Amino acid sequence: DAGVIQSPRHEVTEMGQEVTLRCKPISGHNSLFWYRQTMMRGLELLIYFNNNVPIDDSGMPEDRFSAKMPNASFSTLKIQPSEPRDSAVYFCASSFRYEQYFGPGTRLTVT
Amino acid sequence: DAKTTQPPSMDCAEGRAANLPCNHSTISGNEYVYWYRQIHSQGPQYIIHGLKNNETNEMASLIITEDRKSSTLILPHATLRDTAVYYCIVVAGGNEKLTFGTGTRLTIIP
Repeated sequence: DAGVIQSPRHEVTEMGQEVTLRCKPISGHNSLFWYRQTMMRGLELLIYFNNNVPIDDSGMPEDRFSAKMPNASFSTLKIQPSEPRDSAVYFCASSFRYEQYFGPGTRLTVT
Repeated sequence: DAKTTQPPSMDCAEGRAANLPCNHSTISGNEYVYWYRQIHSQGPQYIIHGLKNNETNEMASLIITEDRKSSTLILPHATLRDTAVYYCIVVAGGNEKLTFGTGTRLTIIP
């Protein structure tokens, strides 16, 4: 298996633009997680899905952030409009039972 | 979930055993101890987890004290590739949410 796949790996955008991050979980995994990592705040859970259903979105910072999981093999995290403070590394992870497998991350820079 | 306390940084000589402590004095009976690590610029990687018995896998050993208030992750023969930030996380059984703290930055010295 190729592991969790994230795209793009790097994204540079201007403030106010829409940004869409993509994630393909490991086949057979039924839970998917979106995390954000910054130097100031560390690694934070934004939202997670179980069987494609959002279970906990309490970590989503504000209405500018939204996440979807239309099927078991694809999820998106969208930021609209983006702001400089959204600059971070965004990780997607998937799990079947207790072990979460993380993707390589998307480094987002908002100028 | 119970809070954990870890030293901010540690050094270990290559080839020696690295012992990383974690304090979780408020842990509840149904809470597990998980360890993840994050090598620079990569996503976190699961290492091991346990409830009350000691655990061992191909990566590491986890020693949990009898009162469960602390634990130690042991990397038996540390290599340069083990240089990473190590996170100790306490999670209630059935809960999928991981709350990452600041971890311990382990540096393996040649």
